[in-house]
Formats: sequence, C-alpha cells, structure tokens
Amino acid sequence: AQKVTQAQTEISVVEKEDVTLDCVYETRDTTYYLFWYKQPPSGELVFLIRRNSFDEQNEISGRYSWNFQKSTSSFNFTITASQVVDSAVYFCALSDPPYRGYSTLTFGKGTMLLVSP
Amino acid sequence: EAQVTQNPRYLITVTGKKLTVTCSQNMNHEYMSWYRQDPGLGLRQIYYSMNVEVTDKGDVPEGYKVSRKEKRNFPLILESPSPNQTSLYFCASSLHRSNEKLFFGSGTQLSVL
Repeated sequence: AQKVTQAQTEISVVEKEDVTLDCVYETRDTTYYLFWYKQPPSGELVFLIRRNSFDEQNEISGRYSWNFQKSTSSFNFTITASQVVDSAVYFCALSDPPYRGYSTLTFGKGTMLLVSP
Repeated sequence: EAQVTQNPRYLITVTGKKLTVTCSQNMNHEYMSWYRQDPGLGLRQIYYSMNVEVTDKGDVPEGYKVSRKEKRNFPLILESPSPNQTSLYFCASSLHRSNEKLFFGSGTQLSVL
C-alpha cells in the first residue's frame, strides 16, 4: 500500500524567511509519480509539480524548489524568501505506475504554511 | 476556458435524504475522480473512473456511488447520507490517469444534519 507522510502539520514563518516542507513516501513500486499541490485560503487546489521516480534532478521554479531523494524516499519542497501569498495548505501526493490496471492517487495530510508580514 | 465544474458549492441536508453532487469537465479528459477533505486527514480518494463505464473504488468508497455514462460527467451520489459524510468534496480530472496533472473543481461543502 502507498503512503505519504507530511509530518509538519503547521509551519509559521515571517516574510522573507526560507521554509522547507517535508514529504516522505512509501511504495513498493519502482515506477511512481510524486506531486505537490497548493490549497490557498480560497479553497481551490492548484497543481505545482509532477516528478517521476526516474528523474532525481532537483527542480527550481522561481522561489520554489523541490528536492527528490530516492534513497530517503523524500520529496521536499522549499520556498525561498517566503511571501504572505504563499500562505496555504500544501499537499504532497503519490501515484501508481502508469502500466497498472488501476490508477489511484494518495495524498498526505497536508502542511499548513502561515507567512506573516 | 478549461475547467472542472462542481455543483452545488454548498449543500446542507438531513440524514437519509438522497443527494447528488455533479461534476463536469470540458477538457475531454478520460480520468475523473472524487476526493473528500477532512481536517487532519487530508484528501482521500472516494472513487475514480478511467473512462466511460469504467469506475473503481478509492480508499473510502463506503456510502457513495458514482456513474460515468458520458465522458464529461462524473456525479457523486449519496443515497442515504449520514453525518459522518459531512465534508468538503472535490472532483478532479486528468487526461488519462492519476499520474498526470489533476485539474480540480472548486469544491462542494456538504453538511449532513
């Protein structure tokens, strides 16, 4: 069974601080996909990134960066120089291999990030 | 505009009164799914569909039904709602499977009294 653990329930930082959101996953598959989604206070869910298990390169998108480490089964998300608009709940998720006859997506419980001015 | 449309946005009902939450997407996506979001539990998958007439259970299917008679629509049916089904529900779709970017609806806040 797949499992995603986001141990940080809530994180509070002051604007301009860097912050890292942790995600640890469990799967028996060698092929899988990892995601991060953002849920701002307005409630919608917004896709941030998708990474497959064969691509361990770190990714950077503006102030956002992701560190995928297969050896520790982690897919951590860092926001550099945080801003108030980054305040949201962030979900990490894990998907099945694409060759399966089924197709599920397992989410972590989410980390609420509060950025204060 | 590409979107996933859920209705209603808010719903208050009473125990045992059948209800349907509609979900429609205009992107010709094959994969559609339903999630419920509860405090401290995150998002949990209820049902998903990989194409028309192909549906399967997720992690928490008890008390729910779905159907996929057309590609664009994937309604969630609660035939006899109970208070423990009070939750925030999200419909989502992707082109083919769950390992692709999901597009989410705006959510339906359901309260069962």
